[in-house]
Amino acid sequence: DIQMTQSPSSLSASVGDRVTITCRANQSFSYYLNWYQQKPGKAPKLLMYAASSLQRGVPSRFSGSGSGTAYTLTISSLQSEDFATYYCQQSYSIPWTFGQGTKVEIK
Amino acid sequence: QVQLQESGPGLVKPSETLSLTCTVSGGSIGNYFWSWIRQPAGKGLEWIGRIYTSGATNYNPSLKSRVTMSIDTSKNQFSLRLSSVTAADTALYYCAREIEGVDPWGQGTLVTVSS
Repeated sequence: DIQMTQSPSSLSASVGDRVTITCRANQSFSYYLNWYQQKPGKAPKLLMYAASSLQRGVPSRFSGSGSGTAYTLTISSLQSEDFATYYCQQSYSIPWTFGQGTKVEIK
Repeated sequence: QVQLQESGPGLVKPSETLSLTCTVSGGSIGNYFWSWIRQPAGKGLEWIGRIYTSGATNYNPSLKSRVTMSIDTSKNQFSLRLSSVTAADTALYYCAREIEGVDPWGQGTLVTVSS
């Protein structure tokens, strides 16, 4: 299985801050990396697919990049509705695996 | 827009079989992969497996010996069966569609394994 490790596990930030979350894989692949946002009591929501493609309806302050074993999700200017837990997921090799999550909290 | 809804018993006894159904509305079940993903309380996400419209399946090797998925295109439904459950199978179970990424997801259904 491909192991996905996110960092940090949690962070505190203020509205307007730039936030970057990193996801590292223990095997190299390209393209097949997705990001999700999960709010308490809700199902995860797809934000980015194929590493850098914005899902329809997702604000453009979200962006993704990376290849190989390192990927990042960036929120350019954190908004109040962005406080949530974020997960990366690889869809390169079955079984699909997720990172452990990064909780973004209010500072 | 496509919506998914999980249904099934919320309580299952140890050693018995967990059975869930996902009903797809607002679109056809055809020509997509459909997945099951679970999340224990306060923990991360675990992909259980997926089924294609044709009935072809891929399962997580960690659960493969206990998992069976099926699909009924006439009812726009697909199902999960997980046998020999233990307390470790207690989780919120989501059904979802795979396209590019997993989207959309159902709201999830809590399954508790307890006697």
